[in-house]
Amino acid sequence: IAGITQAPTSQILAAGRRMTLRCTQDMRHNAMYWYRQDLGLGLRLIHYSNTAGTTGKGEVPDGYSVSRANTDDFPLTLASAVPSQTSVYFCASSPQDSGANVLTFGAGSRLTVL
Amino acid sequence: GQNIDQPTEMTATEGAIVQINCTYQTSGFNGLFWYQQHAGEAPTFLSYNVLDGLEEKGRFSSFLSRSKGYSYLLLKELQMKDSASYLCAVRDDDYKLSFGAGTTVTVRA
Repeated sequence: IAGITQAPTSQILAAGRRMTLRCTQDMRHNAMYWYRQDLGLGLRLIHYSNTAGTTGKGEVPDGYSVSRANTDDFPLTLASAVPSQTSVYFCASSPQDSGANVLTFGAGSRLTVL
Repeated sequence: GQNIDQPTEMTATEGAIVQINCTYQTSGFNGLFWYQQHAGEAPTFLSYNVLDGLEEKGRFSSFLSRSKGYSYLLLKELQMKDSASYLCAVRDDDYKLSFGAGTTVTVRA
């Protein structure tokens, strides 16, 4: 089934540890995105990539980094996790063509930083 | 920057109609989206408006007025399965999507 796969589904992490959330899509979408979702704040854009080889900063990029070595993969890395990064993280992708460019979301990764 | 406002919660009875309003002030506009998100799940696409007017898709309709920075999502013939959060999102000129905090709709029997 075409779509977006995120891993891990859930993780508990000690503060200060490094963590990479993985995201893979098989729809050959050009653009990919990482959002975090916190109660009362909605979805906030962390980083995005309009095409392989390029990345950009979203609304809340501090403490996170991304890479886009190929079309399918867009990992999100927390270099040194802090408790305020406890959240649900959603990866998304869109075709980035002339159409509506609807975002398709992965199932999410729930991260708890203690 | 982006400022997107929608009510936090709404409650309605099964079979009724509910209208969720969304107002926005954004730097650039390239479309307005509505997503549905059930608890513990990913958001799923409901509707897209880029021109003024009403878009109808079955029981769901979405309206846009670009001059007023206003949209609404209309849910008709409410069913229990419609209990979810509804997210208003605006796309800017760089094709990035900014979301409102979401409206939690509770459908009661």
